[in-house]
Amino acid sequence: GAVVSQHPSRVICKSGTSVKIECRSLDFQATTMFWYRQFPKKSLMLMATSNEGSKATYEQGVEKDKFLINHASLTLSTLTVTSAHPEDSSFYICSATQGASNYGYTFGSGTRLTVV
Amino acid sequence: QKEVEQNSGPLSVPEGAIASLNCTYSDRGSQSFFWYRQYSGKSPELIMSIYSNGDKEDGRFTAQLNKASQYVSLLIRDSQPSDSATYLCAVNTGNQFYFGTGTSLTVIP
Repeated sequence: GAVVSQHPSRVICKSGTSVKIECRSLDFQATTMFWYRQFPKKSLMLMATSNEGSKATYEQGVEKDKFLINHASLTLSTLTVTSAHPEDSSFYICSATQGASNYGYTFGSGTRLTVV
Repeated sequence: QKEVEQNSGPLSVPEGAIASLNCTYSDRGSQSFFWYRQYSGKSPELIMSIYSNGDKEDGRFTAQLNKASQYVSLLIRDSQPSDSATYLCAVNTGNQFYFGTGTSLTVIP
């Protein structure tokens, strides 16, 4: 089945620094990947849709200059949290689909970001 | 109205009982339907998909779809403590993929 790899699984960074999270589709090509954020005991919140070779589409209220998304190839999307602050601490999850509507989304294992 | 609605719970059932999780959706053109399980601190994992009206069984899990009522459910038979998790309903309308907010299930030993 489809596998999505996400790294790192856990990162602690200092306030003001930037953190890059990688999301790779291992056995399929993903023209579209999705980035979610989840606070403890809350539901998934879609942050942006990442499209290979074009600019990401951000959801309302998500700062595009703070959460930089790059989808440089059909198997890799990256999310960079720039100038991180403690309120950016969260669980970030990427997902991808093989494209057809009868495929579900496959999720990466998630990245626990803690900004101190 | 939200695209996908679920009762947030929490839902508690005793071990061995049947857990019933429900989901409604608003877009009649929705084409495919999914149930994900998410353990605390982990990312969601796909457990069932269903595309046609009726029931689909996979082990202890049964997904039920009623497109006329815009309703999809997940039954877990012989519930185990390891089934305790949040269950997310997801709907693919062909244009967009929508998640419900999830139902928290606790199976009491």
